[in-house]
Amino acid sequence: ELKVEQNPLFLSMQEGKNYTIYCNYSTTSDRLYWYRQDPGKSLESLFVLLSNGAVKQEGRLMASLDTKARLSTLHITAAVHDLSATYFCAVDLKGNTPLVFGKGTRLSVIA
Amino acid sequence: DVKVTQSSRYLVKRTGEKVFLECVQDMDHENMFWYRQDPGLGLRLIYFSYDVKMKEKGDIPEGYSVSREKKERFSLILESASTNQTSMYLCASIAIAGGGLNTGELFFGEGSRLTVL
Repeated sequence: ELKVEQNPLFLSMQEGKNYTIYCNYSTTSDRLYWYRQDPGKSLESLFVLLSNGAVKQEGRLMASLDTKARLSTLHITAAVHDLSATYFCAVDLKGNTPLVFGKGTRLSVIA
Repeated sequence: DVKVTQSSRYLVKRTGEKVFLECVQDMDHENMFWYRQDPGLGLRLIYFSYDVKMKEKGDIPEGYSVSREKKERFSLILESASTNQTSMYLCASIAIAGGGLNTGELFFGEGSRLTVL
């Protein structure tokens, strides 16, 4: 059974600081996704990582995938308040199976 | 833009009532999913469907059923609502690319927050 673990689950950051959210998964896969959820809203896709070594960047967020370590990271650079949200990683075992989600990391960026 | 529409954003029902949650997507996606989201538990898969009239159980199907009579519509049914089904319900869809693999990006509806009293 595929398990997806994120840490930390809660993160309070100061504006301007850097930090990394980690996503570990238990079964070999090279398909991993990151989603963002704002309070009271649904999930929206951030990154789609489909191979070992994949790296995607959008603004202050950068995601990477190491399939050998079964690890993905979401790196936040010089955090700003607008990044406050809950971030989920999700894994698809075979490319045609339902995504299994981590529990989410609630990020709060404070001045 | 892909749009996944859930019929009700907020519902309040009584224990034992039958509840229908409707989801419609407008981009001809093959695969559709129902998740529930609870604090501290993340998203858990209830049911999914790969095609019209097809359904597969997810991780927590007990107390739920689904219907997919048309490709664009996937309904979640609570036959007899219970208080432990109070939750946020999220519908999602994804397209299939060549080779039977999905395109890698789920599109979610806005969610239906159900309270069962």
